[in-house]
Amino acid sequence: NAGVMQNPRHLVRRRGQEARLRCSPMKGHSHVYWYRQLPEEGLKFMVYLQKENIIDESGMPKERFSAEFPKEGPSILRIQQVVRGDSAAYFCASSPGANSNQPQHFGDGTRLSIL
Amino acid sequence: SQQGEEDPQALSIQEGENATMNCSYKTSINNLQWYRQNSGRGLVHLILIRSNEREKHSGRLRVTLDTSKKSSSLLITASRAADTASYFCATGSPIQGAQKLVFGQGTRLTINP
Repeated sequence: NAGVMQNPRHLVRRRGQEARLRCSPMKGHSHVYWYRQLPEEGLKFMVYLQKENIIDESGMPKERFSAEFPKEGPSILRIQQVVRGDSAAYFCASSPGANSNQPQHFGDGTRLSIL
Repeated sequence: SQQGEEDPQALSIQEGENATMNCSYKTSINNLQWYRQNSGRGLVHLILIRSNEREKHSGRLRVTLDTSKKSSSLLITASRAADTASYFCATGSPIQGAQKLVFGQGTRLTINP
């Protein structure tokens, strides 16, 4: 039973480039969440998606960041024109449905480094 | 603002001892969850305790919840070197039936052999 799969595990980009982070939820899960973790800190919510819908993006910066979860394929977190401050670990989590008493299952994250 | 705040920020104990970590939060909750994060890895769900529960056990883990004090504790008994990790509490902020988790900064637990 594969868990939440994120790739790449490590991503290095130069300032101004684009970063694309991918997340495949657990089998049977249709709800995806993205979180960002800065060094020595807890995770901060970014966005919650269901298939083809963004439900809550209140934690996403207004510019340069976007997320999608298409009908087919993984969820994508896209960061355009990256800056040094985007360096962080980005985690994806999934859950089977909209039940607040179900835990979220996390992937191992993508560590983004901006040169 | 931070919902969950863990205390202490770092804890170092000898193998075999018990480890207690505390978490405080600010608003009303449906449930509170504890997660473990090993270095360089994602979060692993440990226990979910609902707002109408006071205590929950899972193996060597014991979680308590005091909604009147808006606090929770995680006790790991008979600690092992493999328990070395960061531990986070998280509360859920509802969004259309699901929830976005709000994490504290975590407690870094080190078990010395």
